[in-house]
Amino acid sequence: AQSVTQLGSHVSVSEGALVLLRCNYSSSVPPYLFWYVQYPNQGLQLLLKYTSAATLVKGINGFEAEFKKSETSFHLTKPSAHMRDAAEYFCAVSAPGVNNAGNMLTFGGGTRLMVKP
Amino acid sequence: NAGVTQTPKFQVLKTGQSMTLQCAQDMNHEYMSWYRQDPGMGLRLIHYSVGAGITDQGEVPNGYNVSRSTTEDFPLRLLSAAPSQTSVYFCASSYEGGTEAFFGQGTRLTVV
Repeated sequence: AQSVTQLGSHVSVSEGALVLLRCNYSSSVPPYLFWYVQYPNQGLQLLLKYTSAATLVKGINGFEAEFKKSETSFHLTKPSAHMRDAAEYFCAVSAPGVNNAGNMLTFGGGTRLMVKP
Repeated sequence: NAGVTQTPKFQVLKTGQSMTLQCAQDMNHEYMSWYRQDPGMGLRLIHYSVGAGITDQGEVPNGYNVSRSTTEDFPLRLLSAAPSQTSVYFCASSYEGGTEAFFGQGTRLTVV
């Protein structure tokens, strides 16, 4: 079964500073990886996804993530934080083609990003 | 295009009551799923379906029941509500296995 670990349940940065949210995964097959964002009292919105093409993936709102197989990581970054980036971020993994259960998304515990003015 | 629609948005139940959370999608997706979100635990899979008439259990299925009679609808039934089922519930759909999931706005359930 696949799994995801997000290091740091809360991350605080100053506006304009680098954002780095960490995600490590475990999968028995080449994974698909996702980052979702959740604003207060809303559903989850896809930021970006890795599906075995380019290892550096660019998403919406200036975010990007790099798939590193050797480190089993998929960390999310943004060069300069904005106040509007304050939200909860979830990393998720799927193991496509293994079986039906593997096709479903497995989520990490989430990281709440706080942006200080 | 409505996407994934969940109803109700909020619900308070008494222990032992039953209810159904509704989920509908208009994207003709084969895969649908239910997750619960609890603080610090991310989203955990309750049940999922890979097509009409096909359902299976996820990570935390106890106390919940599902059926999938049409491609569009995937209701989640709480058989006898317990305080441990207080959570935010999300329905999601995807075009095929392993691909991105589209989420509804969630149902915040409180069991007292």
